[in-house]
Amino acid sequence: SYALTQPPSVSVAPGKTARITCGGNNIGSKGVHWYQQKPGQAPVLVVHDDSDRPSGIPERFSGSNSENTATLTISRVEAGDEADYYCQVWDRSSDVVFGGGTKLTVL
Amino acid sequence: QVQLQESGPGLVKPSQTLSLTCTVSGGSISSGSYYWSWIRQPAGKGLEWLGRIYTTGNTNYNPSLKSRVTISGDTSKNQLSLRLTSVTAADTAVYYCAGGSWYAFEIWGQGTMLTVSS
Repeated sequence: SYALTQPPSVSVAPGKTARITCGGNNIGSKGVHWYQQKPGQAPVLVVHDDSDRPSGIPERFSGSNSENTATLTISRVEAGDEADYYCQVWDRSSDVVFGGGTKLTVL
Repeated sequence: QVQLQESGPGLVKPSQTLSLTCTVSGGSISSGSYYWSWIRQPAGKGLEWLGRIYTTGNTNYNPSLKSRVTISGDTSKNQLSLRLTSVTAADTAVYYCAGGSWYAFEIWGQGTMLTVSS
């Protein structure tokens, strides 16, 4: 079965850039989607298909995907960006696969 | 705008069958605009996709749970249902219904907590 690996935690100072990675075998050949989940709330799609943003998501959120790593980049980080972030792909054998999640802490 | 609301019993005994409902408002489950999925999340843990249903009634399930999961839709009530058999404590989680494309989830319900305990 296909597996996605995320770092458990990432810390960043306000105003700086946060990068959250998602590793998977040849993930660059798949579409990667990213979700933000704040405590007690449902996840929210922030990036889909590697780098596209749904309407209403700030331009500060961007994504990239190449070879074995996809990256969610959050520019000019704000306190309100503190949340858990999950990557997700569709795989032919496993269907929908989520990464284990990364807790973003804003220092 | 489409909104989703999950509902369920809150507590189920081990070995019993879990049944949850997702009521869709602001759109029809039979419109073909979305695929509908169930996703769960144990407390403090990550997300696990359970399965999806499309307007045709076609379903797909997580291979690891396929023998225990059934997803169905009731177009007259505009509701989706999840049935999970032979539950154990490991099935304790928040259960979400979600709508989106085949492979990503654009809209989510607020989730419903399900505890498996005797």
